[in-house]
Amino acid sequence: KAGVTQTPRYLIKTRGQQVTLSCSPISGHRSVSWYQQTPGQGLQFLFEYFSETQRNKGNFPGRFSGRQFSNSRSEMNVSTLELGDSALYLCASSSGQGLMNTEAFFGQGTRLTVV
Amino acid sequence: GESVGLHLPTLSVQEGDNSIINCAYSNSASDYFIWYKQESGKGPQFIIDIRSNMDKRQGQRVTVLLNKTVKHLSLQIAATQPGDSAVYFCADSNQGGKLIFGQGTELSVKP
Repeated sequence: KAGVTQTPRYLIKTRGQQVTLSCSPISGHRSVSWYQQTPGQGLQFLFEYFSETQRNKGNFPGRFSGRQFSNSRSEMNVSTLELGDSALYLCASSSGQGLMNTEAFFGQGTRLTVV
Repeated sequence: GESVGLHLPTLSVQEGDNSIINCAYSNSASDYFIWYKQESGKGPQFIIDIRSNMDKRQGQRVTVLLNKTVKHLSLQIAATQPGDSAVYFCADSNQGGKLIFGQGTELSVKP
């Protein structure tokens, strides 16, 4: 079974630009969560999608948004990039049946550098 | 606010010894906990999980202990190997799909 796939692996953007990151979950998984990882703040929850609906949201500004498609693939978008948005963005996939917590598996992440 | 903390940022052990990594959480409503291992340049790798209706769970060379009274969990790695060197995170959840992570403990294994 293929794991969680994130594209691209690396990205360099300029301040003020926008960026879209993609995540393909494990086949059959309907829940996709996004996290930001930085040396100073650690792993922080961005949002979670289940069956194309945002089910949970972290404490990030509105510049961070996401969506999920009918095939469970998800994208997250960051607009008006700031230097502080430089981070490893991680996607996690789980079966997410109902509200019961289930194992979450991570992709390799997208390393975003804002210059 | 809700937080998950670790007692030690770094841990160094001799190859073959047992390792114990500790974690404290603040939300008494948390009902699900996961330990992850993250190697440099990679995403977190699922190690083992435990639900709040259990106090111990064992995997291959790993054991997780949960003490709900003091809101503490630990990861024990038996016969630690050089390949176990990584950063270990505990995470807790009381809502579907949202994990709260600790800051991580960096485990170094000396040959």
